Amino acid sequence: QLQLQESGPGLVKPSEALSLTCTVSGGSTSSDNHYWGWIRQPPGKGLEWIGSIFYSGNTYYNPSLTSRVTVSLDTSKKQFSLKLSSVTAADTAVYYCHKGSSYYFNMDVWGKGTTVTVSS
Amino acid sequence: EIVLTQSPGTLSLSPGERATLSCRASQTVSSTYLAWYQQRPGQAPRLLIYGASTRATGIPDRFSGSGSGTDFTLTISRLEPEDFAVYYCQQYGSSLYTFGQGTKLEIK
Repeated sequence: QLQLQESGPGLVKPSEALSLTCTVSGGSTSSDNHYWGWIRQPPGKGLEWIGSIFYSGNTYYNPSLTSRVTVSLDTSKKQFSLKLSSVTAADTAVYYCHKGSSYYFNMDVWGKGTTVTVSS
Repeated sequence: EIVLTQSPGTLSLSPGERATLSCRASQTVSSTYLAWYQQRPGQAPRLLIYGASTRATGIPDRFSGSGSGTDFTLTISRLEPEDFAVYYCQQYGSSLYTFGQGTKLEIK
């Protein structure tokens, strides 16, 4: 059974970059049938799509974040990563990684999430 | 960008009752790309329905999805205590994903 686990710093200073990694176990990252992505949820608020990456290497980002976001995939390590630059307090959130179906473009497996706080 | 509006914001019902949650899109959404998620407190969201009406693996048959175009519905036929949670709809179109703001289903 495929599982996802987020890792990375829980505290980031304003203006610095947030970097998270998602490690995939129990499955492969080398498939055209799946894609990989990141979602975040600010405290007490709803879900916000950040970005997605496909096995082909194609990436898609939320237009509101595109100037600051990079999502990358390392199939040899079975990991994918998120980098968000120039963070502010508004980037404080629970960050989830997920797997999705390349046919239905849903999010069918989620990590448990990791809390990132932006504060000096 | 397609905006999804969920209603009601909060739904208060009792166990055993039927719940009907609405998701309305600002433009036509392909049914293939409409999904519903459940999020219990302190947990990650869980995929319930994809393709507007197909239950995900392991989802009980009391959950059903319907709709097309701009109007979609999630129905829970008989509420169990574990169903009280927040529900989100999600769509994909033009390489972008958006979520509704969520409906909180609370115990009356």
